[in-house]
Amino acid sequence: SYELTQPPSVSVSPGQTARITCSGDALPKKYAYWYQQKSGQAPVLVIYEDSKRPSGIPERFSGSSSGTMATLTISGAQVEDEADYYCYSTDSGSDQSVFGTGTKVTVL
Amino acid sequence: QVQLQESGPGLVKPSGTLSLTCAVSGDSISSNNWWSWVRQPPGKGLEWIGEIYHSGSTNYNPSLKSRVTISVDKSKNQFSLNLSSVTAADTAVYYCVKGFDLWGRGTLVTVSS
Repeated sequence: SYELTQPPSVSVSPGQTARITCSGDALPKKYAYWYQQKSGQAPVLVIYEDSKRPSGIPERFSGSSSGTMATLTISGAQVEDEADYYCYSTDSGSDQSVFGTGTKVTVL
Repeated sequence: QVQLQESGPGLVKPSGTLSLTCAVSGDSISSNNWWSWVRQPPGKGLEWIGEIYHSGSTNYNPSLKSRVTISVDKSKNQFSLNLSSVTAADTAVYYCVKGFDLWGRGTLVTVSS
């Protein structure tokens, strides 16, 4: 079955840039989506279609995709950005969707 | 304002069937969206279960496909999840999702005797 691989954790100091990668064979053909999940809460969409930002999401969140890797960048990370982040996409050969393994971002 | 609300039993016995409903308010279930179910076991990551379009077209996670049925009820503006032959491994918070961007608050379902 299709898999999306993320690093388990990323740690940055406040004001630094955090980059979270998501690797998947179908990413050259399929969009990546990124979700932020804070403890005890439902996930929130922060990036859709590789690089678009929903209304209400701070500009410090950006996304990109190249080849088999998508990247979520938090420029000038804030303490309130501490959360788990998941990428999401679809297999190119089927209609199977999948979430990435998840990355815990620590800002301290 | 569009809202999704999951409902159903919080406790299901092993080998039984887990049944949840997602009530949609502020939008029509017949709008141009896919409606999905996602789950998250305690302390673990998100798992996509499957999705349905108002026409009845469905897509399922291959690892769950033999046990999952997702259906839509246009008259009640809601969609449902049935997961059969459950075990403790199916204990999770279950979320319903509209498209990519709107999630319900989630409901915890525990599988235990």
